[in-house]
Amino acid sequence: KAGVTQTPRYLIKTRGQQVTLSCSPISGHRSVSWYQQTPGQGLQFLFEYFSETQRNKGNFPGRFSGRQFSNSRSEMNVSTLELGDSALYLCASSLGGQSSYEQYFGPGTRLTVT
Amino acid sequence: AQSVTQLDSQVPVFEEAPVELRCNYSSSVSVYLFWYVQYPNQGLQLLLKYLSGSTLVKGINGFEAEFNKSQTSFHLRKPSVHISDTAEYFCAVSAISGSARQLTFGSGTQLTVLP
Repeated sequence: KAGVTQTPRYLIKTRGQQVTLSCSPISGHRSVSWYQQTPGQGLQFLFEYFSETQRNKGNFPGRFSGRQFSNSRSEMNVSTLELGDSALYLCASSLGGQSSYEQYFGPGTRLTVT
Repeated sequence: AQSVTQLDSQVPVFEEAPVELRCNYSSSVSVYLFWYVQYPNQGLQLLLKYLSGSTLVKGINGFEAEFNKSQTSFHLRKPSVHISDTAEYFCAVSAISGSARQLTFGSGTQLTVLP
């Protein structure tokens, strides 16, 4: 099976702009989670989507949003970019069922805000 | 809420020596435990997991970990490391409650294997 794919792999944006990142989960996986990784804060949970519904949300401002499509692909959007949004954004997928807790990660999107 | 503490931020070790990366967690509910590895410019790869059963779990690349409920620890071990094991290692927990899934990570341990 193909793994989790994320596009694009690298992005450079200017402060104030908005950005959309994309994630395609492993085939058959219905849950997609997003994480932000920075040197200062480490790995932090953004949100989780399951069957097109946000099931869980981390402690991030409303500028961070996401959605999931019927084919389980997910996008996350960051509006009004700030310098502090520079990070590696990781997407993870899992089966999403009651007994499914393992998450499998994609390679990440490296976002640089200038 | 859960929290994870990785006691060593950097662990240098010589090739073919044994290594232990320490992880302690805190949680008000039962959790599942995971170790992930991250190589430079890559995502996270699942090394091993503890869901239930035997407290000694074996993972990929010769790694193993032992769950100790009384000490709330989940230390990662390898009897003989290779240069290729140089990477950052993350311990993570997921609460066993409800349907939502969220991993809480430790701050990571950089393992450097020296020739």
